[in-house]
Amino acid sequence: KAGVTQTPRYLIKTRGQQVTLSCSPISGHRSVSWYQQTPGQGLQFLFEYFSETQRNKGNFPGRFSGRQFSNSRSEMNVSTLELGDSALYLCASSLGAASAEAFFGQGTRLTVV
Amino acid sequence: DAKTTQPTSMDCAEGRAANLPCNHSTISGNEYVYWYRQIHSQGPQYIIHGLKNNETNEMASLIITEDRKSSTLILPHATLRDTAVYYCIVRPPPNFGNEKLTFGTGTRLTIIP
Repeated sequence: KAGVTQTPRYLIKTRGQQVTLSCSPISGHRSVSWYQQTPGQGLQFLFEYFSETQRNKGNFPGRFSGRQFSNSRSEMNVSTLELGDSALYLCASSLGAASAEAFFGQGTRLTVV
Repeated sequence: DAKTTQPTSMDCAEGRAANLPCNHSTISGNEYVYWYRQIHSQGPQYIIHGLKNNETNEMASLIITEDRKSSTLILPHATLRDTAVYYCIVRPPPNFGNEKLTFGTGTRLTIIP
């Protein structure tokens, strides 16, 4: 079956701009989680959505937001970009109920200049 | 979530068994031990998980000590493709609403030809 698809794979933005990243989970998966990975902080949890509702949220400023659609596809948005937002953004999907494993996408590498 | 401690890096000869230790001395009674790995520039990949019994799948074996304060991931016949960062994660049961994964710094495993 198709894996988790993240688009775009690479993105370059300017400070102050906003960006929207997209994640299509594995068919049948209802939970989508987002992570940020940087060399300094490692992999950090951003938030998780299940059935269009945010269930968990990490310790990130309000500039980071997300949503999930009825088909389980998810988007995350970062407004007023800062240089420190440069990172690999990873999306993970899972069944979301008594599931054992999360499946990760290849990520979107965002560079803020 | 309980904190985990892993060696920063390890080497293993190709074809030999790779044994990756993880310390999780503050693990709670209902928390599971999960292992993921991340090959360079890819999203993390689920390997195996367990509660108290030893577990084996097609990728690896997981040995959890009787007091559950530490565990070892075993890759029985390491290949060059096993070179990756391996993350040991302790998390609550994979029930409804518990999809968050807390990643530490992991162990960078290098397989030597």
